[in-house]
Amino acid sequence: AQSVTQLDSQVPVFEEAPVELRCNYSSSVSVYLFWYVQYPNQGLQLLLKYLSGSTLVKGINGFEAEFNKSQTSFHLRKPSVHISDTAEYFCAVINSGNTGKLIFGQGTTLQVKP
Amino acid sequence: EPEVTQTPSHQVTQMGQEVILRCVPISNHLYFYWYRQILGQKVEFLVSFYNNEISEKSEIFDDQFSVERPDGSNFTLKIRSTKLEDSAMYFCASSDQGAVQETQYFGPGTRLLVL
Repeated sequence: AQSVTQLDSQVPVFEEAPVELRCNYSSSVSVYLFWYVQYPNQGLQLLLKYLSGSTLVKGINGFEAEFNKSQTSFHLRKPSVHISDTAEYFCAVINSGNTGKLIFGQGTTLQVKP
Repeated sequence: EPEVTQTPSHQVTQMGQEVILRCVPISNHLYFYWYRQILGQKVEFLVSFYNNEISEKSEIFDDQFSVERPDGSNFTLKIRSTKLEDSAMYFCASSDQGAVQETQYFGPGTRLLVL
């Protein structure tokens, strides 16, 4: 079985500062990794995903994430955040052999302060 | 840009009542999903659906739940006899090819409150 842990429930940060949202996963099989973002009153939107190849993945809105197989991590980073990045961020995995069941972490609320 | 829509945005119901949550997936998508998030907990997979059949369902998806694609555009989740613990945000999602690496596009959710 797979599981995903997002260690920080809330991350407050000042505008233009860098941010890292942490995600660790557990799986005995190969997985694909995803980060989704949810803005207030909207659905979950894909930020980026790791399928294979380069371990550094670039996504929308200046976000990137690095897959680290040895540490089973997929941390999300942005070098300089904006007020508009305030949202809930979800890390998720899919077993590469199954039918599309996303397994989510608990979510991290990013609060960007002016 | 095409998007998944869900209605209603909020629903309040009495315990034991039936509710139907509606979703309109992106028009050319073939794979459909329901997830839910109980307040303060993780988003959980409920069911996936393709070609008018359930592809996979979780343990949560018991006999009280059913899904249907009644026409070419809607995808519904029915809870026959709601319980207090069914109170949650319900998300519908759809994907194009259904391969596990395909992006699932999510709707804004329906917040269900069972009293």
